[in-house]
Amino acid sequence: AQSVTQPDIHITVSEGASLELRCNYSYGATPYLFWYVQSPGQGLQLLLKYFSGDTLVQGIKGFEAEFKRSQSSFNLRKPSVHWSDAAEYFCARFQEYGNKLVFGAGTILRVKS
Amino acid sequence: GAGVSQSPRYKVAKRGQDVALRCDPISGHVSLFWYQQALGQGPEFLTYFQNEAQLDKSGLPSDRFFAERPEGSVSTLKIQRTQQEDSAVYLCASSPRSASGSTDTQYFGPGTRLTVL
Repeated sequence: AQSVTQPDIHITVSEGASLELRCNYSYGATPYLFWYVQSPGQGLQLLLKYFSGDTLVQGIKGFEAEFKRSQSSFNLRKPSVHWSDAAEYFCARFQEYGNKLVFGAGTILRVKS
Repeated sequence: GAGVSQSPRYKVAKRGQDVALRCDPISGHVSLFWYQQALGQGPEFLTYFQNEAQLDKSGLPSDRFFAERPEGSVSTLKIQRTQQEDSAVYLCASSPRSASGSTDTQYFGPGTRLTVL
């Protein structure tokens, strides 16, 4: 079955440091990939998405992600983390073309000052 | 414009009670999805509507779960005879067009946190 794996349950970074959150996917010739962020008590907000074309995609709030087919990865990055970035981050893919989303288990980001 | 709204935001039910969770999608959105998010997990697909038609209910965990969208806008997820394992956050999402053949972004509501005692 098509799946999404986020290997890190928790990550703690210092404010101002760089960030990379890992995401790996299985199967699919050209997966449609997403990163969402969820703050406590809030719904999921889309950060960025990859469908095709340039493998480095830019999103909101200074985030970017790189699609690497050879590694089946779609890692999320930010050069300098702010305290307000503390939240839970979910990587997801369409299970079938334009249908349901399949999510990873999420990575909780803590930012220390 | 207004986003996806859900009500109630929190619901506490005694085991065996029936509950109804409401979702108001973004106006004009054709597609509506329900997801279940257990504690410490990512959301999992429950069901999908295209307008009023329920095209996919493969994720509903049991026949105690029922969803409807009778007029193609507001949707209700009903859980009968709730069990403790039903405790979760229930998320609703909508997207502008039919999901089939589309790569539209899904816009999520804040969710309803259901606790079954």
